[in-house]
Amino acid sequence: DGGITQSPKYLFRKEGQNVTLSCEQNLNHDAMYWYRQDPGQGLRLIYYSQIVNDFQKGDIAEGYSVSREKKESFPLTVTSAQKNPTAFYLCASQWGSTEAFFGQGTRLTVV
Amino acid sequence: KQEVTQIPAALSVPEGENLVLNCSFTDSAIYNLQWFRQDPGKGLTSLLLIQSSQREQTSGRLNASLDKSSGRSTLYIAASQPGDSATYLCAVDVNDYKLSFGAGTTVTVRA
Repeated sequence: DGGITQSPKYLFRKEGQNVTLSCEQNLNHDAMYWYRQDPGQGLRLIYYSQIVNDFQKGDIAEGYSVSREKKESFPLTVTSAQKNPTAFYLCASQWGSTEAFFGQGTRLTVV
Repeated sequence: KQEVTQIPAALSVPEGENLVLNCSFTDSAIYNLQWFRQDPGKGLTSLLLIQSSQREQTSGRLNASLDKSSGRSTLYIAASQPGDSATYLCAVDVNDYKLSFGAGTTVTVRA
């Protein structure tokens, strides 16, 4: 089945630690996105990538980093510079201006 | 910057009643508008995509309308069921490979 796979489902981060969230898609979509969702708020864009080896900052990129070495993969690293990382993270992919598809999300908690 | 608003934030209706969910956006220069459903702790599931040239889109009990000139879209769900209980989000695509999301309307359908 075609779709987007995010892992892990739950992730715990200690203070000062970097963690990486995985996002893989087999839809052959060029564009991939990372969003952050906080309770009662809409999704906010962290980073997006339109093609391999290229990506752009979204509205809240500070404290995050990404890579796009393969079309299928768009991992997100939450660095120690992100002071409030506890949130629900969603990865999405899209072809042109067609329907966007989302993964099942990763819930990150600081312990 | 595109601002997307969804009112009300929450809605509770008895089973069988029709649902009307509203979405408004500030910049009418959009490529498309998409409605999503989100269950608690899950990712987003696409419901309907309306291209900017379309006035409405239908899928089963769901019907979405789009009025670009007034910056509004409405999602109608006919004959609501308890299984329709979820959060519904709208997002607009302004052709810069970014979706702008509303905060969502949380729907509860009472049996």
